[in-house]
Amino acid sequence: DQQVKQNSPSLSVQEGRISILNCDYTNSMFDYFLWYKKYPAEGPTFLISISSIKDKNEDGRFTVFLNKSAKHLSLHIVPSQPGDSAVYFCAARRGAGDKIIFGKGTRLHILP
Amino acid sequence: DTAVSQTPKYLVTQMGNDKSIKCEQNLGHDTMYWYKQDSKKFLKIMFSYNNKELIINETVPNRFSPKSPDKAHLNLHINSLELGDSAVYFCASSQLYDRDYSPLHFGNGTRLTVT
Repeated sequence: DQQVKQNSPSLSVQEGRISILNCDYTNSMFDYFLWYKKYPAEGPTFLISISSIKDKNEDGRFTVFLNKSAKHLSLHIVPSQPGDSAVYFCAARRGAGDKIIFGKGTRLHILP
Repeated sequence: DTAVSQTPKYLVTQMGNDKSIKCEQNLGHDTMYWYKQDSKKFLKIMFSYNNKELIINETVPNRFSPKSPDKAHLNLHINSLELGDSAVYFCASSQLYDRDYSPLHFGNGTRLTVT
């Protein structure tokens, strides 16, 4: 039962352009969402998060948007850089202290 | 100065064997986790320990037994290994602040292959 869905297994974006990674969720009880980035042979690293009381959170080149009515969030990376090539995991949890549930990830390729 | 370190990085073994994966964190966190990433790429939580006490135990076979000798270590022992146990196992840690946890810090994973 996939509660966090990343329907695009991969995405290719030209360097300098905007990368948009999408994530859908099914559980309306989720109150906190996170994005993790993973390079090959390494563990995921935390990138950015957003609480359900907000609809946008920005950190440098990374912005996460949350649309609660659509149960959808997206990660925008602008401008995209070669080092952004990685797998991006969307994750969510139901409440403070609850377990974090991950999606399957989207592989982002930044093209030169 | 690795924050969360797991050993071994690779583990190849035969069905029926017993094996252990070790994890140590030097971040001073009080909570540690084991996650499994299977062939379908889902990262699923298996166990969570807070200050050496088990707080999350997902529906994992009894063949998997975590052990936390102190809050900086969380080891995973697997008995009678099966082909389906082949996966990448990630250790992670976080800190509990006022009933909520900081984001997870992951180790680099242990790729277990059961033949």
